[in-house]
Amino acid sequence: EVQLVQAGGGLVRPGGSLRLSCAASGFTFPNAWMSWVRQAPGKGLEWVGRIKSEIDGGTTNHAAPVEGRINISRDDSKNTLYLQINSLKTEDTAIYYCTTELFMIASGRVIVIPGVFDNWGLGALVTVSS
Amino acid sequence: DIQMTQSPSSLSASVGDRVTITCRASQTISTYLNWYQQKPGKGPKVLIYAASTLQKGVPSRFSGSGSGTDFTLTISSLQPEDFAIYYCQQTYSPSYTFGQGTKVEI
Repeated sequence: EVQLVQAGGGLVRPGGSLRLSCAASGFTFPNAWMSWVRQAPGKGLEWVGRIKSEIDGGTTNHAAPVEGRINISRDDSKNTLYLQINSLKTEDTAIYYCTTELFMIASGRVIVIPGVFDNWGLGALVTVSS
Repeated sequence: DIQMTQSPSSLSASVGDRVTITCRASQTISTYLNWYQQKPGKGPKVLIYAASTLQKGVPSRFSGSGSGTDFTLTISSLQPEDFAIYYCQQTYSPSYTFGQGTKVEI
């Protein structure tokens, strides 16, 4: 069974920083592209960014509202994903979910379907307030 | 960014009803369209991807259709566990924008 156990979150002052983590189990984490999606209280969903698997380059992509302020990283030896957000703004207040991007194995190859988020953590609430 | 607009924003339905939710993209996105279901206090669950492909484990009463700019999610016979918020999402452009959601309630 896939599990994504999130940690971090809490109350942060505007301008501060926060690091979230997401410990994965139940699948081959090094093969997975991982994303962060956030949801402001009572609002809709917003993709924040992703990191590809190391075999696919380990590169990251970020959404425009957080470009330059976030760092997404992974430690495949610990099956853990990280999100660091700097220069926090009140509009960053949200539940942050880590997700896997759907992949399948075909002929021994991992084929990722980018942007399809098939497993979700329980979320971590980040509140930015003075 | 590609804007995704869902309609209606909310609807009332009864168990057994056929329910249809529409999603319109601000530009053509081929079939790069996914549907999610979210229940209170939980993360979303993907129901359909690539406009019409049912995710493993999702009941067959859910179906999706459309291409280009107009898409539809249909629940053929609404069940009690289907009362939730439904979101569409485009994956044509890397911003992966979501619709604003449709709340399905009794």
